[in-house]
Amino acid sequence: ETGVTQTPRHLVMGMTNKKSLKCEQHLGHNAMYWYKQSAKKPLELMFVYSLEERVENNSVPSRFSPECPNSSHLFLHLHTLQPEDSALYLCASSQRLAGGYYEQYFGPGTRLTVT
Amino acid sequence: GIQVEQSPPDLILQEGANSTLRCNFSDSVNNLQWFHQNPWGQLINLFYIPSGTKQNGRLSATTVATERYSLLYISSSQTTDSGVYFCAVAGANSKLTFGKGITLSVRP
Repeated sequence: ETGVTQTPRHLVMGMTNKKSLKCEQHLGHNAMYWYKQSAKKPLELMFVYSLEERVENNSVPSRFSPECPNSSHLFLHLHTLQPEDSALYLCASSQRLAGGYYEQYFGPGTRLTVT
Repeated sequence: GIQVEQSPPDLILQEGANSTLRCNFSDSVNNLQWFHQNPWGQLINLFYIPSGTKQNGRLSATTVATERYSLLYISSSQTTDSGVYFCAVAGANSKLTFGKGITLSVRP
């Protein structure tokens, strides 16, 4: 595997289900991100992890719970979602150095439908 | 936060034509990236270009940071160039903010 991978690619879940999205990066980066892309809206940053520590949480509802066990893996745990949470969820990674965060590389995304 | 505006919102080209896509931003930036989103949702990196000019095949990009804009040039367009083009910028907080995108349709 190369680059950034995400599983599953498609997910349909009911509002009472619990599921998890997985992201893995093979680029040797030390920062990882979750973005949400809803229809007709710009990509929205949800969470940023740097060196496995959450450094950004953009007012995301608690029904989304991220986990970063190491610098290569990132999860997004989902529970009691709403239909408006249906969207494309994108994972990205980049290198973080003293000067800041650098070029981000994205995975193929998980298309989530909440019924 | 930084505001990002892309223009035009939609663009229709005949195969073989050239085009220029524009990205304006409201503050100084440390990072600027251009992406192409294919019909399956994958964001493909085109350029990492906080300043200066770069070229990659039929694509080139120029960022004039002092005037707060970036341009993406597509020459001899092909149907496979169709999709949505995003500009994304980050300032001192390194948080990447995306524009709304430009939808390009290249007709054979």
